[in-house]
Amino acid sequence: DGGITQSPKYLFRKEGQNVTLSCEQNLNHDAMYWYRQDPGQGLRLIYYSQIVNDFQKGDIAEGYSVSREKKESFPLTVTSAQKNPTAFYLCATKTHPRGYTFGSGTRLTVV
Amino acid sequence: QQQVKQSPQSLIVQKGGISIINCAYENTAFDYFPWYQQFPGKGPALLIAIRPDVSEKKEGRFTISFNKSAKQFSLHIMDSQPGDSATYFCAVAGGTSYGKLTFGQGTILTVHP
Repeated sequence: DGGITQSPKYLFRKEGQNVTLSCEQNLNHDAMYWYRQDPGQGLRLIYYSQIVNDFQKGDIAEGYSVSREKKESFPLTVTSAQKNPTAFYLCATKTHPRGYTFGSGTRLTVV
Repeated sequence: QQQVKQSPQSLIVQKGGISIINCAYENTAFDYFPWYQQFPGKGPALLIAIRPDVSEKKEGRFTISFNKSAKQFSLHIMDSQPGDSATYFCAVAGGTSYGKLTFGQGTILTVHP
């Protein structure tokens, strides 16, 4: 069963903590993306990766970091520098020719 | 600067009615215009998409109308059903965006039975 797996589904972070959101895909797609979703603001691009060992900042990269050591995995770390991390985070891969396939998301809440 | 402006923010329609959601874009280099549907707690899923060489595309009850000169495109949902209640996003891609999608702000559609 091909697809994108995001984990955990819900995540709680204390002030000052770094947390890592997992995104794994078995679609054999090269390009992967992280979006943040807030009510009324649509989806905003955090980071993206076109190939293994390469990634670029999106529109709102401050306070986030990523790695792309394997084609299947694109984890996102929300650092303590991100002042307002509470949001719904979505991982996606690029489906030909231009469409995306999204995971089911991780809802992060600061407590 | 918003590259895509979507309206309305929310929409309530009676069952059987027509739902219309609009998007306007700035960059004439965009050449791919998809609509995504998202149910609560889930990721968005591609609903329908259009390229600028056609003015309309229809798939079942869903139609995209595209006006290149006005830089606008819209989603029409005919015979709206309660199961269509979801958040809808327009998006654009092309030009120098290197395959990245830029999304509109989203429209929450509620279809009353």
